[in-house]
Amino acid sequence: EVQLVQSGGGLVQPGGSLRLSCVGSGFIYKDYWMSWVRQTPEKGLEWVASIKQDGSQKYYSDSVKGRFTISKDNTQNSVYLQLNNLGVEDTAVYFCARPSNGANSDLQNWGQGDLVAVSS
Amino acid sequence: DTQMTQSPSILSASVGDRVTIACRASQILNSYLAWYQQKPGRAPKLLIYRVSTLDDGVPSRFSGSGSGTEFTLTISSLQPDDFATYYCQQYHSFPWTFGQGTKVDIK
Repeated sequence: EVQLVQSGGGLVQPGGSLRLSCVGSGFIYKDYWMSWVRQTPEKGLEWVASIKQDGSQKYYSDSVKGRFTISKDNTQNSVYLQLNNLGVEDTAVYFCARPSNGANSDLQNWGQGDLVAVSS
Repeated sequence: DTQMTQSPSILSASVGDRVTIACRASQILNSYLAWYQQKPGRAPKLLIYRVSTLDDGVPSRFSGSGSGTEFTLTISSLQPDDFATYYCQQYHSFPWTFGQGTKVDIK
C-alpha cells in the first residue's frame, strides 16, 4: 500500500522559514516524480512544485518561485519543501502527492496534509 | 496559465440522482484531465484520470467524458458517500491548475 506521511508544518512569523517533509512507502521512490499542492478556503487547490525522479528537473508556481525549494532524497524515500520568506498569503494546508506515472500525470496518492500558518 | 472553470459551484441533490459537473479549460488539454473527490479534513482522492479512466477501486457509477476544452464528471446514481467536493485538474502543462471545486450537498 502506498503511503505518504508528512511532517514539519506549524506556526511561523512573516518572513520566517519552514521545511516540510514527506516520507513515502509502498513504492519504489526513485522511480517517481513528486509534487506539492496547497489548499486554502479562498483559493482552493493550488499546485506549488514538482520534482523529477532524480531531482534533475524542478518546476514551481510563479507565486512561490524564488522563495520555495523542492528537493528529493531517494535514499530516505523523502521529498522536502523548503519555505523561505513566508508571507500571510502562504498560509495553507500543504499536501505532498505522488503522480501515477511521469511528469504529465494525475496525482494518485496524497499525504495527509500539513498546516502552515503564517502570522505575527 | 491554463484556467479551469467548474460549474456549478454548489449542487444540491438527493440519493439516487444523476449528477453532472462540468469543467472548462482555457486551452486544449490533450486528455490530460483528472477528477478528484475531497471530503472535509481529508486529502483529495483521485477518481478519474486521462478524462475517462477510473482509478483503482473507484465505483463504476462515476464516469468522465469530454475532449479538447470541455469535460464532464457524471455520477449515475448518487450515494450517501458521494456528498463531497469535486475538483478537475489539468496536467497538460505546468503550472498545473485546478478548478475551483463543486460541492455536492444534500437537497
